[in-house]
Parts: sequence; C-alpha cells; structure tokens
Amino acid sequence: KAGVTQTPRYLIKTRGQQVTLSCSPISGHRSVSWYQQTPGQGLQFLFEYFSETQRNKGNFPGRFSGRQFSNSRSEMNVSTLELGDSALYLCASSPQGAEGTEAFFGQGTRLTVV
Amino acid sequence: AQSVTQLDSHVSVSEGTPVLLRCNYSSSYSPSLFWYVQHPNKGLQLLLKYTSAATLVKGINGFEAEFKKSETSFHLTKPSAHMSDAAEYFCVVTFSGGYNKLIFGAGTRLAVHP
Repeated sequence: KAGVTQTPRYLIKTRGQQVTLSCSPISGHRSVSWYQQTPGQGLQFLFEYFSETQRNKGNFPGRFSGRQFSNSRSEMNVSTLELGDSALYLCASSPQGAEGTEAFFGQGTRLTVV
Repeated sequence: AQSVTQLDSHVSVSEGTPVLLRCNYSSSYSPSLFWYVQHPNKGLQLLLKYTSAATLVKGINGFEAEFKKSETSFHLTKPSAHMSDAAEYFCVVTFSGGYNKLIFGAGTRLAVHP
C-alpha cells in the first residue's frame, strides 16, 4: 500500500507569490490534515479535511487555505508569501474521522521563500 | 486548553543504556496520546499510541510508554538505546471533539553515543 505522497518535495518561491502544495493520502483514508514545521514554532496544525469538508482550523491567517477533492486528495494554498512562511509542510492522513486514530505522515514539502 | 510539554529539549545517552523522554499533557477531555519519531529529512513515524485501553503501551523498536493520569504524564522509555534511535521525538495529544487535530510538544532530540 502506497504511503502519503506530497508533491513537490522542495519549492523555492519569492515573497508575494502564491504556492499550492499537494497531498495524496493513503488509499481509503478520508481524513487529511496539514501541519507547518519550523525551528522556532515547532509543529503547528493548519487544518483538517474529512470528506471534502474542513472540520477544524488552526490559528493561521487567511492567506493559508486548503481544499479536499472527492478522491480525498488535498491541496493547500498560501497566497502573498512572506519570508516567515518558509517551513516544512507536512500532510497526514487517517483512515476515518474518529479521534485517536493513527495519523500517517508524508515526507513533507520544504518551502523556501526568498 | 490542551497542551503538551516535553520536559527535555535534548537528551544524550550511551549506546546500550536506558532512554527516558519525558512528556506531560494538559487536557480537559479524555486524551489520546502518541509518540512520533522524526529522523533527519524524513516524515513522522508513529512509535506508539494510548487510547484509554492499557496504561502501559508497547510500541515499535522496543519503545514503551506509561500513561499516568494522576501525574498527567506519558513518558517514553526504552531499556537499551541503539545508535539508530538518534532522532527527534514528539509527544502528541489529541482529544475528543478535536477530530484529528494533533497537538505537538516541542520535541526532544535524542543523541546516542557509542
């Protein structure tokens, strides 16, 4: 069974641009969550989608958005990039919506904003 | 509010000696608790999870953790460290009603010396 796939793995963008990151969950998983990892703030929750609906959102500005498609694949978008958006963005998928189920992580997309 | 505190940012042990990584949580609800490991340039891998079954939880690679409600702790242990255990370890909590939002501790970097 293929794991969680995130594309691209690395990305360099300029301030002010926008970026879209993609996440393909494990087959059959309907919940997809996104996290931002930085040296200063650690791992922070961005949002979670289940069956195309955003169920939970972290404390990030509106520049961060996401969506989930009918095949459970998810994308996150960051508009008007700032230097502070440089981070490793991790996607996780879970088999169901139940709390306490294991989350499987992808290898992440490393975004550098210059 | 729910939070996780990892009491040590760095732990250094010799190969073959015991490992103890400490974690305390704060949650108003019945928590589910996890330990994840992150090797350099890799995604997060689940070591073990507690979801209100047995308080002593066994995980992969010889790790185990004990849930102590009275102390709000979930410390990770391993009897004998191996060089391959060198990585960053995250204590994570999620809670009923939080869907799949994971709240991460700041992480503990484990170094293993020959």
